[in-house]
Amino acid sequence: DAGITQSPRHKVTETGTPVTLRCHQTENHRYMYWYRQDPGHGLRLIHYSYGVKDTDKGEVSDGYSVSRSKTEDFLLTLESATSSQTSVYFCAISEGGQGRYEQYFGPGTRLTVT
Amino acid sequence: AQSVTQLGSHVSVSEGALVLLRCNYSSSVPPYLFWYVQYPNQGLQLLLKYTTGATLVKGINGFEAEFKKSETSFHLTKPSAHMSDAAEYFCAVSELRNTGNQFYFGTGTSLTVIP
Repeated sequence: DAGITQSPRHKVTETGTPVTLRCHQTENHRYMYWYRQDPGHGLRLIHYSYGVKDTDKGEVSDGYSVSRSKTEDFLLTLESATSSQTSVYFCAISEGGQGRYEQYFGPGTRLTVT
Repeated sequence: AQSVTQLGSHVSVSEGALVLLRCNYSSSVPPYLFWYVQYPNQGLQLLLKYTTGATLVKGINGFEAEFKKSETSFHLTKPSAHMSDAAEYFCAVSELRNTGNQFYFGTGTSLTVIP
C-alpha cells in the first residue's frame, strides 16, 4: 500500500469554525490531490498540487484552500465550515502528471459540520 | 471537461455468476481509463487501467475490462463473482491539464453478491 496517512480520521465541528485536514505521504510523489466523496456524486476534485507551493483548483474548490510547504504534506483548509461541507475527504498522490499515471488514495477523513 | 457515466448504481449477482459493471465516458482525445474498488470505510484501490496498447486489460482479483473506442465504453467484468467482491466500484477518466492530470469519476456502482 502507498504510504498515505490522513489526519484526523473523524471530525465533528460547528458551522463557522475553521477546519484543517492533513495528508502526509512517504512516497516522495510530486502530485497530491484532495477529493470529496458524496452519495450520488462519486469523487470530485477540490484542489491539487503539482509541486511544493504549486497548487491548482479542481471542480469544487469554492470554500476550500490548500497549502503545500513540503513534498510530504498537503493541507486542506475550510476557512468557515458549512453544513454543505459535511463529506468524506480523500487525499490521493501520483508519481506523475501525465494521464497514464494512476492515483493512490489515503484512508479518508469523515467530516461532519453541525 | 470529461464525464463518466456508470449505468446502474446498484448491481446484484449470485455467487459464481458473471459480474458486468458498465462505464461510458466522453472524451475528444484517446482517453486514459481506470477502475477503482472501494471497500467499506476504506480508500479507493486501483483495479486496472487502460493507457495504450491492448484493449483488453487484466487487473487484480480476476477482473478485466475492455476499451471500446467506437462505443466510448470501458466495462468491467469478472467471470465468477465471489463474496469478497462486494464493494463499490468507480470508473474514472484522466484528463491532462497544463499543471497535471485531473481524474473525473463516475458516481459509482455498488455490487452485492448473493450467496
